Amino acid sequence: GAGVSQSPSNKVTEKGKDVELRCDPISGHTALYWYRQSLGQGLEFLIYFQGNSAPDKSGLPSDRFSAERTGGSVSTLTIQRTQQEDSAVYLCASKKAGGQLSTDTQYFGPGTRLTVL
Amino acid sequence: DAKTTQPNSMESNEEEPVHLPCNHSTISGTDYIHWYRQLPSQGPEYVIHGLTSNVNNRMASLAIAEDRKSSTLILHRATLRDAAVYYCILRDAGAGTYKYIFGTGTRLKVLA
Repeated sequence: GAGVSQSPSNKVTEKGKDVELRCDPISGHTALYWYRQSLGQGLEFLIYFQGNSAPDKSGLPSDRFSAERTGGSVSTLTIQRTQQEDSAVYLCASKKAGGQLSTDTQYFGPGTRLTVL
Repeated sequence: DAKTTQPNSMESNEEEPVHLPCNHSTISGTDYIHWYRQLPSQGPEYVIHGLTSNVNNRMASLAIAEDRKSSTLILHRATLRDAAVYYCILRDAGAGTYKYIFGTGTRLKVLA
């Protein structure tokens, strides 16, 4: 079946511009995560959506970052007034709801590589 | 959030078993131990997870210490395709939060 998809795969932008990154989760998955991975580093948690609950935004690094999830499916991560330090790979993951052992698996998309010049 | 400690890198010969250690001395009773791996230029993929008992699946085995302060991911026969960064992660399923805290992981090099 279809996995998690992200678009664009690569984005080059100029400092100060706004960018939008899109994530299409696996159908039926109610949980969605955004992560950031700088070159050679591990994954940094950004935000988590679960169904209709208020998202966990505790990982967003500044108020220039925001994300929304419309209709419980597609999510968009927006970075306003981009800075060079925002350059990274942005990864999205989805999983089925709940914390039961059998369903606690995240499925990652291929990521969007953002380069801010 | 409880943290994990892993070696930065390890090497293994092809066709030999690999034991990837992870220390999590501050683990709480409701923390699950997860392992993901990230192949070059790809997003991470799930490997295995467990709570207290050892776990086996088609990819690997997870051995959890009796005091749960450490665990070991076991690849029974390493192949060149297993070369990746392996992340050991704790997830607290008891506090209503579903954050995963990834560290820097262990970079596994498999030698032909």
